[in-house]
Amino acid sequence: GENVEQHPSTLSVQEGDSAVIKCTYSDSASNYFPWYKQELGKRPQLIIDIRSNVGEKKDQRIAVTLNKTAKHFSLHITETQPEDSAVYFCAPTNTGNQFYFGTGTSLTVIP
Amino acid sequence: DTGVSQDPRHKITKRGQNVTFRCDPISEHNRLYWYRQTLGQGPEFLTYFQNEAQLEKSRLLSDRFSAERPKGSFSTLEIQRTEQGDSAMYLCASMVVGQETQYFGPGTRLLVL
Repeated sequence: GENVEQHPSTLSVQEGDSAVIKCTYSDSASNYFPWYKQELGKRPQLIIDIRSNVGEKKDQRIAVTLNKTAKHFSLHITETQPEDSAVYFCAPTNTGNQFYFGTGTSLTVIP
Repeated sequence: DTGVSQDPRHKITKRGQNVTFRCDPISEHNRLYWYRQTLGQGPEFLTYFQNEAQLEKSRLLSDRFSAERPKGSFSTLEIQRTEQGDSAMYLCASMVVGQETQYFGPGTRLLVL
């Protein structure tokens, strides 16, 4: 199966600063790269995704970049706000046959 | 509510008992996934269905676990002879083949005493 690692495992930033979380994977056949946000006691929710034919995608304060050669993709959050505090998971997949979730990054935004 | 629903939301059982959980996916979604999540970990894949066919099961899944999706709509996950190590959140997700965007249900939290 796919080996998925996330770094860092915990991240604290001051409100307004940027946060970057990196996800590395092993399956070169992976072609869909989502990021999920999970608040305490809630379900995971998709916040942004990218497909293998695109290098970068942006949605307001959130962006995802993909390096297929190096087999990693990253989540970028700019102008962080306290409500961004949550656990973030990457889950690369090959056409949705299986989603392999990373171990998560706990982000804390300090007001 | 047109999202993914799960029932029950919480279940407390004694070791050795059987439990069954239900997931109702979004109506037009043909793929349905089951995951297990323990504290501090990401969701762990258990199995998935495309319509009524179970296409894959995790190699880590004990034979005490069984899942069905008899009519290609709702699905059930049964755990037989529960053990304390089965205590976890069980999440269901659904999607449309080819779109890859999963939508998760609220989960069923299982506690085995």
